[in-house]
Amino acid sequence: EVQLVETGGGLVQPGKSLKLTCATSGFTFSNAWMDWVRQSPEKQLEWVAQIKDKSNNYATYYAESVKGRFTISRDDSKSSVYLQMNSLKEEDTAIYYCTRGRRFAYWGQGTLVTVSS
Amino acid sequence: DVVMTQTPPSLSVAIGQSVSISCKSSQSLVYSDGKTYLHWLLQSPGQSPKLLIYQVSNLGSGVPDRFSGTGSQKDFTLKISRVEAEDLGVYYCVQATHFPYTFGAGTKLELK
Repeated sequence: EVQLVETGGGLVQPGKSLKLTCATSGFTFSNAWMDWVRQSPEKQLEWVAQIKDKSNNYATYYAESVKGRFTISRDDSKSSVYLQMNSLKEEDTAIYYCTRGRRFAYWGQGTLVTVSS
Repeated sequence: DVVMTQTPPSLSVAIGQSVSISCKSSQSLVYSDGKTYLHWLLQSPGQSPKLLIYQVSNLGSGVPDRFSGTGSQKDFTLKISRVEAEDLGVYYCVQATHFPYTFGAGTKLELK
């Protein structure tokens, strides 16, 4: 059974940092492209970042709204993908989901990030 | 960015009725490999989104064949035949052809 479990969310002040983790199981992680998607309080879904696999040189892509502030990474030995979020803004408040692949075939349960003073 | 325009924003239907949701993109969604990366997701109340249809017309794992997807280039449709109570929630289209990937605003399906 495919599982994706996000952790690391919480309440953080503007300008601070947070690191999200997505631990996976049930599939060959090392071959998978992984994405982060967030859902605002208004329920709008927004793609955040993608990291490809080793055969694609772990290429990364970002939404303009997070470029330069967020960094996606992965550890194939732990079947995990990460999202380092720096210089957080109130508009980054959302539920953050990790998803597998270009089909968005599998989603975690999400982790809530609230940016507020 | 590719703009995904989904209509209608909401639908109220009776059990057993059929409904269609439209999704139009501002650019063609045909990728250089010839495939069209247009998918449909359902987010049931309190749940994470779930894949229903991938690449326009392919059923996701475990998805009943009451769901079907059609379309090409910039114009796509999700059809639900014989709506059941478990189908309520918000339906989203998403394109994964062009970066950044973009989502429609959603169509909320409610039961009469």
